[in-house]
Amino acid sequence: DAGITQSPRHKVTETGTPVTLRCHQTENHRYMYWYRQDPGHGLRLIHYSYGVKDTDKGEVSDGYSVSRSKTEDFLLTLESATSSQTSVYFCAISERGDLKNIQYFGAGTRLSVL
Amino acid sequence: AQKITQTQPGMFVQEKEAVTLDCTYDTSDPSYGLFWYKQPSSGEMIFLIYQGSYDQQNATEGRYSLNFQKARKSANLVISASQLGDSAMYFCAMREADNDMRFGAGTRLTVKP
Repeated sequence: DAGITQSPRHKVTETGTPVTLRCHQTENHRYMYWYRQDPGHGLRLIHYSYGVKDTDKGEVSDGYSVSRSKTEDFLLTLESATSSQTSVYFCAISERGDLKNIQYFGAGTRLSVL
Repeated sequence: AQKITQTQPGMFVQEKEAVTLDCTYDTSDPSYGLFWYKQPSSGEMIFLIYQGSYDQQNATEGRYSLNFQKARKSANLVISASQLGDSAMYFCAMREADNDMRFGAGTRLTVKP
């Protein structure tokens, strides 16, 4: 199994509060990703990183920010959580950035915003 | 725009039989990669198989094979000799050059004993 740890695994928070999710990898892979999974939508990319301090937006980036200060850690922050951000969040890593970009996923974080 | 379509929300198969999960995609880029992932009820996403658009042979990985029909823009996953542990959600995904990976909505496969 790819060495990917997401924390916390479950979180319940209130609307308007800040939330930070952490993804930690031990594979030394260059690329890291944050996705959200909602029923009927599969997985949708929020943000990704192609190196330390190098990040870019994905399909559904509004309301989210990310940071990567070390190769092994990729943080996802919801500055002011809303109920529409209730979802399951997955972190993924990959060694390559080309077409054969096989991504390996963490176990997911279930976030509920009340 | 939706680029990956999985038309079967749910599928049933008898144990030990083969099953095909459909996936069609939309792209005008000649270079792309196609992926299948499995998500069991425990929630993790497991990579199964990859097919490149220029690959001459259909990809195979153990009991998984990809029926790649480029002209039809389809990349169906075939699971041979189904096992109870194959019951899960299956997602098709595509990546075009310089674009993000996009996932389909998934197909829930149930294997009956």
